[in-house]
Amino acid sequence: SAVISQKPSRDICQRGTSLTIQCQVDSQVTMMFWYRQQPGQSLTLIATANQGSEATYESGFVIDKFPISRPNLTFSTLTVSNMSPEDSSIYLCSVVLAGFHSAAWDEQFFGPGTRLTVL
Amino acid sequence: SQQGEEDPQALSIQEGENATMNCSYKTSINNLQWYRQNSGRGLVHLILIRSNEREKHSGRLRVTLDTSKKSSSLLITASRAADTASYFCATVKAAGNKLTFGGGTRVLVKP
Repeated sequence: SAVISQKPSRDICQRGTSLTIQCQVDSQVTMMFWYRQQPGQSLTLIATANQGSEATYESGFVIDKFPISRPNLTFSTLTVSNMSPEDSSIYLCSVVLAGFHSAAWDEQFFGPGTRLTVL
Repeated sequence: SQQGEEDPQALSIQEGENATMNCSYKTSINNLQWYRQNSGRGLVHLILIRSNEREKHSGRLRVTLDTSKKSSSLLITASRAADTASYFCATVKAAGNKLTFGGGTRVLVKP
């Protein structure tokens, strides 16, 4: 497996502000993803973070609201922009490790999550 | 939108009993994965079962997959209080590694 860290672990923010969440992995990964888990709900994929290119967003999520960077194979950031109380959620990054066998669908490992509260 | 539905939504059992939860999904998959989440924290990967597999075991966990019925089950045997958590199934379609999660089952194991 891999050690995945996220910063911050939690934050309380005012509406209209933005927060950038960092995801750091201790080994190179092929794929990185960002998920949102609203209170009491399951996880929903926001986007696939592509190294060196623009992220691929899922339906209902847009780059202006959730800009994502992935400058290298071990690090990514997700920004929640112009926040509203509806953005209060846990945000999780996940990774698929490089070096596994060639099948594209291996286990995903999740970071500990960032709990965001927007007032 | 969620691919899978899990039932029950909540389960309360005594320590030592078995816990079974089910996951149904709608489209063809390459594999199905089960995760555990404690108190809204990060997800822990439990088991991955591929579409050509019917059953897998890991310790006290047993997962089955019936692709004809588009369903999977997770059995936790001899449950412990530490098994108290939410359990999610997630499916992966033919390409892309993207996980689509079910709604989850909240399991409470009473000592």
